[in-house]
Amino acid sequence: AQSVTQLDSHVSVSEGTPVLLRCNYSSSYSPSLFWYVQHPNKGLQLLLKYTSAATLVKGINGFEAEFKKSETSFHLTKPSAHMSDAAEYFCVVLQAGKLSFGAGTTVTVRA
Amino acid sequence: DSGVTQTPKHLITATGQRVTLRCSPRSGDLSVYWYQQSLDQGLQFLIQYYNGEERAKGNILERFSAQQFPDLHSELNLSSLELGDSALYFCASSVAPGTSGGAVYEQYFGPGTRLTVT
Repeated sequence: AQSVTQLDSHVSVSEGTPVLLRCNYSSSYSPSLFWYVQHPNKGLQLLLKYTSAATLVKGINGFEAEFKKSETSFHLTKPSAHMSDAAEYFCVVLQAGKLSFGAGTTVTVRA
Repeated sequence: DSGVTQTPKHLITATGQRVTLRCSPRSGDLSVYWYQQSLDQGLQFLIQYYNGEERAKGNILERFSAQQFPDLHSELNLSSLELGDSALYFCASSVAPGTSGGAVYEQYFGPGTRLTVT
């Protein structure tokens, strides 16, 4: 069985400062991991995916995530937050063809 | 725009009624997935189809059913609706199901159908 835990339900940052969204997973096997973003009243958009190649994964809009097997983590970061980054972010694990979603982290960006 | 379309955008209906949600996958995608997003349950996988055949089932109620047609569009049927079925229903599509031959196929999500049961 696999599950995903997003360690923060809400993160607030100032524009121009770094963003860190934390995700831990539990999986019996080497997982495939994703980060999705959901803007208000919109569908989910894929930010990046990890598929057992490079442990540092670069995504769209300046986001990147690092897979750390020893810590069972897949944290999402961005060096400089923009107002348009305000949204909900989901860490997701794929196993046996099914996606399991974390509870989500709401990001607020202060001007 | 992901290329996945869903209709209708909004649906308001009464308890006990039946509704049908429709999804058209991205051009070339053979696999379709349905998800439910609610405040109390979060995002939950309901069911997956691949090339017309049911591939995987998640937390889908017996009152709910789905199918994928030969043209690859899919419909999710919700019957005997209850207040608790009010949610955002997403469809997603991918080229192939999950993983295949070492490749991982990401899912592309539609904009969702917001169902309100009164």
